[in-house]
Amino acid sequence: AQSVTQLGSHVSVSEGALVLLRCNYSSSVPPYLFWYVQYPNQGLQLLLKYTSAATLVKGINGFEAEFKKSETSFHLTKPSAHMSDAAEYFCAVTNGGGYQKVTFGTGTKLQVIP
Amino acid sequence: NAGVTQTPKFRVLKTGQSMTLLCAQDMNHEYMYWYRQDPGMGLRLIHYSVGEGTTAKGEVPDGYNVSRLKKQNFLLGLESAAPSQTSVYFCASNMDNGLNGYTFGSGTRLTVV
Repeated sequence: AQSVTQLGSHVSVSEGALVLLRCNYSSSVPPYLFWYVQYPNQGLQLLLKYTSAATLVKGINGFEAEFKKSETSFHLTKPSAHMSDAAEYFCAVTNGGGYQKVTFGTGTKLQVIP
Repeated sequence: NAGVTQTPKFRVLKTGQSMTLLCAQDMNHEYMYWYRQDPGMGLRLIHYSVGEGTTAKGEVPDGYNVSRLKKQNFLLGLESAAPSQTSVYFCASNMDNGLNGYTFGSGTRLTVV
């Protein structure tokens, strides 16, 4: 069984401040982890992925995430928020090998305050 | 590069009506998926396909049917729409069963009245 929990359905940050979006996962085998971003009235777009090559993963738009096995976490960060970062962010987990179900978190809406 | 294209983008149905949502991808992907997105519930898998001519049930398949007659197309059907099927529907595809992430369409917003 696998699951993800995103802490905080809404997060507000000031423009220029650190962005931290939290994701904890549960998986019986080594997981593959993803962050997606969804802008209003659009589909989800892949931000970054962890597939066991490196624990610190860099993605698009200046975002990065660190895989911490001991904490079963995969938090998303960005040093300085920009107005264009306002969107909903989804964490997702899957296991490797054959067809495996991808489980999505319930999402975190990021508001950036000017 | 069109990627994943969904039609229609919006639709309003009356209870009991039927409709088909079309998903088309031009990336030669093997795997295709239909999800529904509801507030506070994330994305839930309705049906998926691991190749042309194959389909399988996901988490919430009741009330929906699918077909994958051509590799590039994945159709989602509602035979008798119910208000509980009011949602935003997303199609996604990938080549390698999810290990490198999905490519999503822009969604279909369906309202059943």
